[in-house]
Amino acid sequence: NAGVTQTPKFRVLKTGQSMTLLCAQDMNHEYMYWYRQDPGMGLRLIHYSVGEGTTAKGEVPDGYNVSRLKKQNFLLGLESAAPSQTSVYFCASSLMVNQPQHFGDGTRLSIL
Amino acid sequence: AQKVTQAQTEISVVEKEDVTLDCVYETRDTTYYLFWYKQPPSGELVFLIRRNSFDEQNEISGRYSWNFQKSTSSFNFTITASQVVDSAVYFCALSEFMDSNYQLIWGAGTKLIIKP
Repeated sequence: NAGVTQTPKFRVLKTGQSMTLLCAQDMNHEYMYWYRQDPGMGLRLIHYSVGEGTTAKGEVPDGYNVSRLKKQNFLLGLESAAPSQTSVYFCASSLMVNQPQHFGDGTRLSIL
Repeated sequence: AQKVTQAQTEISVVEKEDVTLDCVYETRDTTYYLFWYKQPPSGELVFLIRRNSFDEQNEISGRYSWNFQKSTSSFNFTITASQVVDSAVYFCALSEFMDSNYQLIWGAGTKLIIKP
């Protein structure tokens, strides 16, 4: 029962470096989401996708890009990492809109 | 403006006590959904319940119960006879239509500590 799998689980970057976070789900869900979680702030939506080939901006999209070339995968990219992007990143998926979201275990990202 | 307010940052109770976590939301929509999620110390997020704006019936699931009151824009969560395993951060979230789709707006969470 894999569900939602995030890769990697931990990463340390230097300011200005780039990286891609991978999210994979095996539940055939249409919707996928990327959130960031910062202390005392709950989760904030970065980008989301309502289906293969689609992406849309969430609450805090600046500094991030996403792609959903395959239904099961949703990639989050940081082109030029900044210390303000130090956070825990969660990927989630749901069958349809307003259905419960299933979350990955998170990626802890530190930008030095 | 904060759309989902969880005013209790941290609650600490002794095992077997009942505890209520408050959630107050703000929306202009007539159709919306409310959710509760649990985040135990291990860090994963676990779905607990979904409620739509047209269903004001209270829900009970074992030791968990939820009280939805549209009149006060509240969706409170009660744990009866709390256990140490209930220790976690609990999030309330509102699904609201914005920018051509529904998006989840999360509260800041309430950290619940159950002491043995």
